Amino acid sequence: RKEVEQDPGPFNVPEGATVAFNCTYSNSASQSFFWYRQDCRKEPKLLMSVYSSGNEDGRFTAQLNRASQYISLLIRDSKLSDSATYLCVVNPQTASSYKLIFGSGTRLLVRP
Amino acid sequence: DAGITQSPRHKVTETGTPVTLRCHQTENHRYMYWYRQDPGHGLRLIHYSYGVKDTDKGEVSDGYSVSRSKTEDFLLTLESATSSQTSVYFCAIRDRGFEQYFGPGTRLTVT
Repeated sequence: RKEVEQDPGPFNVPEGATVAFNCTYSNSASQSFFWYRQDCRKEPKLLMSVYSSGNEDGRFTAQLNRASQYISLLIRDSKLSDSATYLCVVNPQTASSYKLIFGSGTRLLVRP
Repeated sequence: DAGITQSPRHKVTETGTPVTLRCHQTENHRYMYWYRQDPGHGLRLIHYSYGVKDTDKGEVSDGYSVSRSKTEDFLLTLESATSSQTSVYFCAIRDRGFEQYFGPGTRLTVT
């Protein structure tokens, strides 16, 4: 089983739609969680950190469910510019806690 | 902008030749990382550094070596390139928390 699993998609949605991605992680001791966005042929960029109480940044909302070991990202009012791959990232809190584990990503296509 | 540059940005090389990729940062970050990204695998850690001359292996370190003689530079060397090392290589730095910030990447093709 992969340490971080994501549905690869693609999710194909119209502009203005709401779309949600889920991600599951295997290490129950994990403490830090992130969503990164990666455009085609570009580097990953931090979208948001995920706090235990959940957090919102404009149209983006991240939630953490520790009991079920999953993280979600909700995008409201999708824009064409939201088309990208979204990476779920976990810090496993092992002895080498400065490492991050990356999911393979979920691809989002927003159509006009 | 985390002030990270990578060079070269693209390289084509032949099997068996040595290749060195450079990562340069301008903000005095202690932790630096090298990843490779391949379809279906996501980002996988090759090596990382936690200070000058302090490095350790990641999950896919075979065939790679690294060096860090200065805070600002982290070099990744493929001693004898193989076709399986064709990939996109990203360097990253760790900021004050656990977040990492990435350089623009190097596309390496081994023929």
